[in-house]
Order: sequence, then C-alpha cells, then structure tokens
Amino acid sequence: NAGVTQTPKFQVLKTGQSMTLQCAQDMNHEYMSWYRQDPGMGLRLIHYSVGAGITDQGEVPNGYNVSRSTTEDFPLRLLSAAPSQTSVYFCASRGQTGELFFGEGSRLTVL
Amino acid sequence: GENVEQHPSTLSVQEGDSAVIKCTYSDSASNYFPWYKQELGKRPQLIIDIRSNVGEKKDQRIAVTLNKTAKHFSLHITETQPEDSAVYFCAARARTPGYSTLTFGKGTMLLVSP
Repeated sequence: NAGVTQTPKFQVLKTGQSMTLQCAQDMNHEYMSWYRQDPGMGLRLIHYSVGAGITDQGEVPNGYNVSRSTTEDFPLRLLSAAPSQTSVYFCASRGQTGELFFGEGSRLTVL
Repeated sequence: GENVEQHPSTLSVQEGDSAVIKCTYSDSASNYFPWYKQELGKRPQLIIDIRSNVGEKKDQRIAVTLNKTAKHFSLHITETQPEDSAVYFCAARARTPGYSTLTFGKGTMLLVSP
C-alpha cells in the first residue's frame, strides 16, 4: 500500500505557465481533496471530489481546475500560474472513519 | 461556512511540562473534531479525534476535550518530549445533508526544549 502519492515534489514555474499536480491513492477511497498550505494560514481547501465524475469547490478554488475520471486519480491543474499560487500543495483522501490521509506534498514556486 | 480559530500560534515549553492548544468553531452542526500533527517538512498526520457525542478522549499522553455548548475543543499533551515539537492543527467538520469537508485552524507551532 503506497497510500497517497503526489508528483512532482518540487516545481518552479514562470508566471502564466500551466501545470498539473498529480495525485493517486490506492486505498479505494471515494473522497479526495486538494489543500494548499501557506505560512500562518493553515490548510485551505481548494477542491474536493466525493467520487469519480463528481467535483466541487472548496474555500480557495480560483485559478485551479480538477477532474476525477477514476477513483484512484485526482489531478490539480493550474491554468495560468501566478506568484500568489506559490505554496505547498497537499492531496488527501478520506477513509471510512473520517481520517484524512495526506500525500507528501508538492512545493510550487511561481516566479 | 465553518470557521475555526486556534490559539496560541506558537507555544514553547520545557521537556516534561504539559501543553494545551485551544480551538473554537462557529458551526453548531459540526460533529467531528480531529487533530493533526505536522513535523517539519512532513505531511500532516492524524493523532487523535473526537466526535460530538463524547466529551473527552485520551490516548497515552494526549487527550482532547470538547465543550459543545461553548463550541470549543482543546488538545492536551502531558509529559512533553522533544519529539512532540511540531505544528499542530485542529479541524472541524459539519454534518450536512450532502458531503462535508474539514475546516482547519491556522496551526500551533509547539517547541519542546530539552
């Protein structure tokens, strides 16, 4: 069991570039989510999904897109990167008890 | 939506002392309150959680208390050790007709000095 796997771990982008953060889980969890973590701001929910084909917005969705074509995968797309999107991104899936299982995180810098 | 306030933002204690971190929530429908620990450069991991039908829960040196009337919950760590040094996040999840999400506090950096 690998749990939740995120790639890449580090990425540097220029303003205006697009990219996709990949997230995969092998625990057959229906619920998956993306958070961003900024100093002093805690973990803020970007988007979440309750199953294949279903996604919804969280607290800070602007500038991000998601899709959920399979139970395992939940990629996060940055359409046109901005310096304000410099952050650490965590993907998480939720188990039956409500526990969130986080990936290792992806550190993104937008210049 | 739910709003979770967490205090203090930083907490320094001596090894062996107790540490208490407090959170308040706004949505009286919230019914699940987990605590996550994040060591430097690592992912957050669940350390303890409590549901609204329970007032207190213990697991070795950590405990969580919940006061539904006042809408606050607290994490208590006794006999702190240097390896307890980390950022701790509280969170709350509301019961909704559809699917609910976790709202996190802004975190408390705990430093335990030997």
